[in-house]
Amino acid sequence: AQTVTQSQPEMSVQEAETVTLSCTYDTSESDYYLFWYKQPPSRQMILVIRQEAYKQQNATENRFSVNFQKAAKSFSLKISDSQLGDAAMYFCAYRSAWSGANNLFFGTGTRLTVIP
Amino acid sequence: DTAVSQTPKYLVTQMGNDKSIKCEQNLGHDTMYWYKQDSKKFLKIMFSYNNKELIINETVPNRFSPKSPDKAHLNLHINSLELGDSAVYFCASSLWTSGESDEQYFGPGTRLTVT
Repeated sequence: AQTVTQSQPEMSVQEAETVTLSCTYDTSESDYYLFWYKQPPSRQMILVIRQEAYKQQNATENRFSVNFQKAAKSFSLKISDSQLGDAAMYFCAYRSAWSGANNLFFGTGTRLTVIP
Repeated sequence: DTAVSQTPKYLVTQMGNDKSIKCEQNLGHDTMYWYKQDSKKFLKIMFSYNNKELIINETVPNRFSPKSPDKAHLNLHINSLELGDSAVYFCASSLWTSGESDEQYFGPGTRLTVT
């Protein structure tokens, strides 16, 4: 099974500053998808951003962007202009592109604190 | 309108009891999932159903039995509850597409506490 590693259990950032959350993964597949999910205290899982492995261009969604390094199997999330509402658990997730396996493999999460 | 709903949101019960968690999606998706989030926040797939058929059955005790009466519902029944079953259980749904990065929509989760 694929493994996803988030080496930062906790991170903090000053409001309006930029923070980068790290994620690495292990797979023998060449085609797959990567995701970042946000889980605020409400417990709801919210998709932040996704990246297709076959695309070289890094995905961007407003203040959120990724640095996808396929050879290094690295998928970091950059949050710019951090806001208080960004405080949450962030999970990196992997999904195979094989049609027989649609489930997500999650990392252990990074708790982000935003300091006013 | 709620896309993926779960009932109940909180469930407190004693060891040995049998309980069910219900999940419904109104997105027209054909694939549904159950994930378990343990006390350390780790999320892991338990089951996956596509068009009411079991696709993935990870290593979970057979006390856990998913049931999908139709494509919009996937219920989770747990027999003989144990303390270690305490967790948050998430239902999710998506479209079964080959090679597409379809998004999985998650329900609000059910916090199960076994005493």
